[in-house]
Amino acid sequence: NAGVTQTPKFQVLKTGQSMTLQCAQDMNHNSMYWYRQDPGMGLRLIYYSASEGTTDKGEVPNGYNVSRLNKREFSLRLESAAPSQTSVYFCASSNRLRGNEKLFFGSGTQLSVL
Amino acid sequence: GQQLNQSPQSMFIQEGEDVSMNCTSSSIFNTWLWYKQDPGEGPVLLIALYKAGELTSNGRLTAQFGITRKDSFLNISASIPSDVGIYFCAGSVYSGGGADGLTFGKGTHLIIQP
Repeated sequence: NAGVTQTPKFQVLKTGQSMTLQCAQDMNHNSMYWYRQDPGMGLRLIYYSASEGTTDKGEVPNGYNVSRLNKREFSLRLESAAPSQTSVYFCASSNRLRGNEKLFFGSGTQLSVL
Repeated sequence: GQQLNQSPQSMFIQEGEDVSMNCTSSSIFNTWLWYKQDPGEGPVLLIALYKAGELTSNGRLTAQFGITRKDSFLNISASIPSDVGIYFCAGSVYSGGGADGLTFGKGTHLIIQP
């Protein structure tokens, strides 16, 4: 039972470097999400994909891009990393059904930008 | 957007004690969710509530959807060491399904003293 799988688990970048965080789910969910978690800030939505072929901005999209590669995979890209992007990143998925907002989360990527 | 106030921010309790935490909103929500996050892991759904006044249990956990639809409560009875973690509430105004409309509280950090 893999659920939502994120890679890598940890990453250190220098300011200006780029990287892609990978996420895959095996629950046949149609919606996928990227959140960031910062101390005292809770979980904030970066981008989401309601269904394969669509992506939309969340609360804090600046500095990020996403790709919904297929129904299973949703990647998050930092084109030019900044120290303000130091955070823990979570991918999540759900079935987009009326009244169903239950999210299933991956175990997170801890990113440090120096 | 909606604002969620979750309290307390942290709790230091003795093993065996009961725990109560709550979330209040400035807006009416149609869904309340409670998640728990263990260290180094992603949040895991504990309880989902869909009707005002609803009271739902999951083992030693009980959550209630407030009558005003602006608050929710989570109680843990007879706490044990594995209850340690961060508890998040999340609320949603139904917008056609999916979790992009979810607002998360900032979390209650539960610490159990031996």
